[in-house]
Amino acid sequence: SQTIHQWPATLVQPVGSPLSLECTVEGTSNPNLYWYRQAAGRGLQLLFYSVGIGQISSEVPQNLSASRPQDRQFILSSKKLLLSDSGFYLCAWTRWRGSHNEQFFGPGTRLTVL
Amino acid sequence: AQKITQTQPGMFVQEKEAVTLDCTYDTSDPSYGLFWYKQPSSGEMIFLIYQGSYDQQNATEGRYSLNFQKARKSANLVISASQLGDSAMYFCAMSDFKAAGNKLTFGGGTRVLVKP
Repeated sequence: SQTIHQWPATLVQPVGSPLSLECTVEGTSNPNLYWYRQAAGRGLQLLFYSVGIGQISSEVPQNLSASRPQDRQFILSSKKLLLSDSGFYLCAWTRWRGSHNEQFFGPGTRLTVL
Repeated sequence: AQKITQTQPGMFVQEKEAVTLDCTYDTSDPSYGLFWYKQPSSGEMIFLIYQGSYDQQNATEGRYSLNFQKARKSANLVISASQLGDSAMYFCAMSDFKAAGNKLTFGGGTRVLVKP
């Protein structure tokens, strides 16, 4: 069966520090992968998506970047965190369900920037 | 550009009663999909139900049903026989099948609190 992992689960970082969040998927190959951010009490905002190794599409200009070094690994990074980067970061992948693609989400990483 | 609107920020519902969560969308594309997700306090996003723009019948999944009114561009979620475990945030989302990457656009969510 397919599973998706995110690491770490929670993170507290000072302003100006670097960031690296990791997402890995098991049990599938060549998935579409996504990074979303959710501010407190708000909906999800798509940050990046990837349709293959080394292929990254950015949806929102920001001080974050993403990389996909391996087929089932998706990394979200920042060189210098801002207070506004605080939020809940969710990784997702799509699975074909016969008539449509369905997105499945990881457990998320809660980031607090102080 | 796609847009999803959920006008109810929060709702109370009595246990065992039904509740309807509103969702309206805006798109110029004829081919799209509509999704509902549940997010409990743990933060995980749980897929509930899907409706395709060309589906003739309203989708149902157990206690969840989707009231799809294409002409009005609405896709309301109905939860029947509410349970205490249904207390959560609920998000409506849309996917444009023509766009690359099968991206989802989410609404702002509705918080549901089920009262015993």
